[in-house]
Amino acid sequence: DAKTTQPPSMDCAEGRAANLPCNHSTISGNEYVYWYRQIHSQGPQYIIHGLKNNETNEMASLIITEDRKSSTLILPHATLRDTAVYYCIVGSMEYGNKLVFGAGTILRVKS
Amino acid sequence: NAGVTQTPKFQVLKTGQSMTLQCAQDMNHNSMYWYRQDPGMGLRLIYYSASEGTTDKGEVPNGYNVSRLNKREFSLRLESAAPSQTSVYFCASDVRGTGEGYGYTFGSGTRLTVV
Repeated sequence: DAKTTQPPSMDCAEGRAANLPCNHSTISGNEYVYWYRQIHSQGPQYIIHGLKNNETNEMASLIITEDRKSSTLILPHATLRDTAVYYCIVGSMEYGNKLVFGAGTILRVKS
Repeated sequence: NAGVTQTPKFQVLKTGQSMTLQCAQDMNHNSMYWYRQDPGMGLRLIYYSASEGTTDKGEVPNGYNVSRLNKREFSLRLESAAPSQTSVYFCASDVRGTGEGYGYTFGSGTRLTVV
């Protein structure tokens, strides 16, 4: 059963911020929010993860609501190369715990 | 640092043939996974290995077997290929459980067609 809900697709203008939402209302206290993306037919690529606090790295920012029931991945200046399927996943850090991928959001960045 | 290496990259099989997909990682990760991805679909977990010497079924294990040969290698075997197994197969390894928490590293995939 999917633990997250994402919109099936979104469009974004090149150079603008892309804000990808994710709902995870049943997230447990020890579960992290992970984001991955898959460009065309390549293997998925890790983007970022977080537990409670907002996180930022060289690729993106992750904003998690205070109740942890939803989050937003932000690509600050989207480029055409950011066109991909973005997966929001919840999972624990516990040894052997597996991540379940849903359908994700297709982000189309347009010039 | 090669990461996760999958071989072969492409394969065409006839129905009923067998083959083994190979996966190796050089990052000293404990856990490894096999996923399949059908056209226009998300990834579905076939089998995983939390650590060397252990394997467990995922969502869609029927028609597959796996072997965790050592810490580096995790192979997926199709004993009698069927057209329904036409898919892209991804192997992944996982640093979680070691305290680092950067999630999965995926290979580039094996594109399998069964005719």
